[in-house]
Amino acid sequence: GAGVSQSPSNKVTEKGKDVELRCDPISGHTALYWYRQSLGQGLEFLIYFQGNSAPDKSGLPSDRFSAERTGGSVSTLTIQRTQQEDSAVYLCASSLATSLRNTQYFGPGTRLTVL
Amino acid sequence: DAKTTQPNSMESNEEEPVHLPCNHSTISGTDYIHWYRQLPSQGPEYVIHGLTSNVNNRMASLAIAEDRKSSTLILHRATLRDAAVYYCILSGANSKLTFGKGITLSVRP
Repeated sequence: GAGVSQSPSNKVTEKGKDVELRCDPISGHTALYWYRQSLGQGLEFLIYFQGNSAPDKSGLPSDRFSAERTGGSVSTLTIQRTQQEDSAVYLCASSLATSLRNTQYFGPGTRLTVL
Repeated sequence: DAKTTQPNSMESNEEEPVHLPCNHSTISGTDYIHWYRQLPSQGPEYVIHGLTSNVNNRMASLAIAEDRKSSTLILHRATLRDAAVYYCILSGANSKLTFGKGITLSVRP
């Protein structure tokens, strides 16, 4: 079956511009997660959704970052007024539910480059 | 979230078994032990997880110490395609995964 998809695969933008990153989770997965990975680093948790609500936004680095999820499916991560330090690969994952044992399935990521 | 400790890197020969260790001395009773791996230029991929008992699946085996303070991921016959960064992770609140730097596995032909 179809896995997690993300678009665009690559995004180059200029400092100060806004960007939107999209994630399509696996059908039927109620939990959705956003992570980012800077060059040579491990993954950093940003936010997770259970259905359309986001109980844990603790990882968002600043108020320039926001995310929403509609219809319990597609999610959009928005970065306003991008900065060079926002350059990273943004990864989305989904799972059947939020529990300690549920496997997360990751998308291929969106590589964001801020010039 | 409880922390895990892994060596930075390990080398293996193709078609030989590989044992990747992980220490998690502060694990809580409800934490599952998860292993994911990340091949170059790809998103992480689930490998295996367990709670107390050893686990086997088509990809690997997971050996969990009796006191659960350490575990070992076992690849029975390493292939070149197994070269990746392997992450040992304890499940946290809301199943948020806290990734460390992982262990980089190199496989020699």
